[in-house]
Amino acid sequence: AQRVTQPEKLLSVFKGAPVELKCNYSYSGSPELFWYVQYSRQRLQLLLRHISRESIKGFTADLNKGETSFHLKKPFAQEEDSAMYYCALQGAQKLVFGQGTRLTINP
Amino acid sequence: EPEVTQTPSHQVTQMGQEVILRCVPISNHLYFYWYRQILGQKVEFLVSFYNNEISEKSEIFDDQFSVERPDGSNFTLKIRSTKLEDSAMYFCASSSTGREKSQYFGPGTRLLVL
Repeated sequence: AQRVTQPEKLLSVFKGAPVELKCNYSYSGSPELFWYVQYSRQRLQLLLRHISRESIKGFTADLNKGETSFHLKKPFAQEEDSAMYYCALQGAQKLVFGQGTRLTINP
Repeated sequence: EPEVTQTPSHQVTQMGQEVILRCVPISNHLYFYWYRQILGQKVEFLVSFYNNEISEKSEIFDDQFSVERPDGSNFTLKIRSTKLEDSAMYFCASSSTGREKSQYFGPGTRLLVL
C-alpha cells in the first residue's frame, strides 16, 4: 500500500533559522516523490520532485530509500515561506498525499 | 506560464442535486486527474483519465461520479446525486505524459452540499 506520513501538522520557526519538514513514505516499488506548497488561498504548486534533484526557492529534499524519507530542508527560513506543505508519492499515476504541514515563519 | 483552470470557484447545492465541476487542463497535457480534500483532511485521489477513458479510480469514485472530456479542452466531474459528505474542495490536475509525471493543479472548486 502507498502511504505518506508527515508527522508534524504545525511547524513554527523564526526567520533566518533552518527548516526541516519531515516526510516518510511506504511503497513497495520505486517511488517518485514530490513536495507541493500551497500559499494562502492559492492552488497547490509543485515545489520539488526528487528525480530532478534541484533546489527551488532555497529548498532541497533528498530521497533516503533506507529510511524511506524525503524530508524538505531550507537553511535560512524567510517570512514568505509561510504556507502549507504537502509531501506526495506517485506510483503508477495517482498521487498519494501526506496530511500536510503548516509552516509559519515568525519575524 | 500555462495553468489549469477550474470553474466555478464555489458551488452550493442541495442534497440529491446533480453538480458538474469543470476543468480546463494545460493544453498539451494528456493525463487528467480529479482529487478532493474534505476540510481538515488530506488530499485524496479520485480518478485519472487518459485517451478518453478512466485509467485508475479510487474507492471513493463510485457510481455517483463520472468524468468526461466533452471537447478538446474541458474535463468535467459529475456527481449525480450529491450527499452531505461530498462537501469538499475538488482539485483538477493534469500532466503531460506518463514519464513526465509532475501533476499541475487547478485552484479548486469548493463544493458545499446542504
